[in-house]
Amino acid sequence: AQSVAQPEDQVNVAEGNPLTVKCTYSVSGNPYLFWYVQYPNRGLQFLLKYITGDNLVKGSYGFEAEFNKSQTSFHLKKPSALVSDSALYFCAVRDAGGTSYGKLTFGQGTILTVHP
Amino acid sequence: DGGITQSPKYLFRKEGQNVTLSCEQNLNHDAMYWYRQDPGQGLRLIYYSQIVNDFQKGDIAEGYSVSREKKESFPLTVTSAQKNPTAFYLCASSAVQKNTEAFFGQGTRLTVV
Repeated sequence: AQSVAQPEDQVNVAEGNPLTVKCTYSVSGNPYLFWYVQYPNRGLQFLLKYITGDNLVKGSYGFEAEFNKSQTSFHLKKPSALVSDSALYFCAVRDAGGTSYGKLTFGQGTILTVHP
Repeated sequence: DGGITQSPKYLFRKEGQNVTLSCEQNLNHDAMYWYRQDPGQGLRLIYYSQIVNDFQKGDIAEGYSVSREKKESFPLTVTSAQKNPTAFYLCASSAVQKNTEAFFGQGTRLTVV
């Protein structure tokens, strides 16, 4: 079985400060990892993904994420937060191997609030 | 414009009624998914389909049914057997390769009245 944990329900940062939203995962094989953002009453928007290669992945809107295989983590980061980054963030995983049929499993989400 | 369209945006259901949520995509994706979103519980997979005329149960399929008669369409029926159907429902699609991201519709908010 595959699973994702986002240990923080909420993250609060001041505008201009760096932000980190944490994610850990569990899969039987190699992971494909994704981050999505959701604004109120809207669908999810794709931010970035890790498939293979460089452990630091860059994505949309200045976000990046660091893959750490030994810690089974994929934390989302941004060097300088904006008020407009305030939203609900989801981490997701697919098992690259096996017969999981492409099933995408999500964490419970982290509410990011950036204060002016 | 390519994308996923869910309709309606808001839906109200009386106790004991079945309702069907529509999901259409023009991205030529083989895989389609239905998720349920409740506050504090993230997204839970209801059903998914990798190909026309085939679909698999997800983690919370009880009280729901789907069909996949066309590649573009993956409607979800919430039956009267679903005891707590009030939620935000999200449809997604992706290419069948596992390293591709999923694209989401704007969601349907279902409320039982």
